[in-house]
Amino acid sequence: DAKTTQPPSMDCAEGRAANLPCNHSTISGNEYVYWYRQIHSQGPQYIIHGLKNNETNEMASLIITEDRKSSTLILPHATLRDTAVYYCIVSSIRGKLQFGAGTQVVVTP
Amino acid sequence: EAQVTQNPRYLITVTGKKLTVTCSQNMNHEYMSWYRQDPGLGLRQIYYSMNVEVTDKGDVPEGYKVSRKEKRNFPLILESPSPNQTSLYFCASSFDRYNEQFFGPGTRLTVL
Repeated sequence: DAKTTQPPSMDCAEGRAANLPCNHSTISGNEYVYWYRQIHSQGPQYIIHGLKNNETNEMASLIITEDRKSSTLILPHATLRDTAVYYCIVSSIRGKLQFGAGTQVVVTP
Repeated sequence: EAQVTQNPRYLITVTGKKLTVTCSQNMNHEYMSWYRQDPGLGLRQIYYSMNVEVTDKGDVPEGYKVSRKEKRNFPLILESPSPNQTSLYFCASSFDRYNEQFFGPGTRLTVL
């Protein structure tokens, strides 16, 4: 199963875009990239997922490189409520999910 | 309201005393999963189930059992809990393994 690598932390100013990178160089052709976030010790919250194409929803955009070895989650206008740990996950065809350490994002006023 | 519920939310128990943490979803989801979360180790998958009567091991299945006799419920069983199973546990469900997972509120377990 593919592993992911994320920076441990990053800061972002309120109102600015937050760009969260993720490396998944061993991803297989049929594996999806998922992003979740977790605020304190609450249950993780789904953000977005994709296979090959870039994706956008009301929360964020997901940019996947052409070789699929890395991706970037974009929060277009960060708010204080976006302060959380963000997880990039690659799923296996068997449904197994492996969460990494994630990126602690702190949005400052 | 669409949700995943877990019970109990908090539990303190002693070594060796069998316990069950229940998980139920009301979204008719086929896929369900259990995770544990520990400081510095992140979320790790314990078991998952792609449908009724179909379960498979995640990354850390030792010391746990699960069953999926009906679609809505996926209980986590600790036959003989030990202190190293002290953790925060999350249940999750999704329509299938490709779709977003909805997580429960978590169960904080302490084994003395």
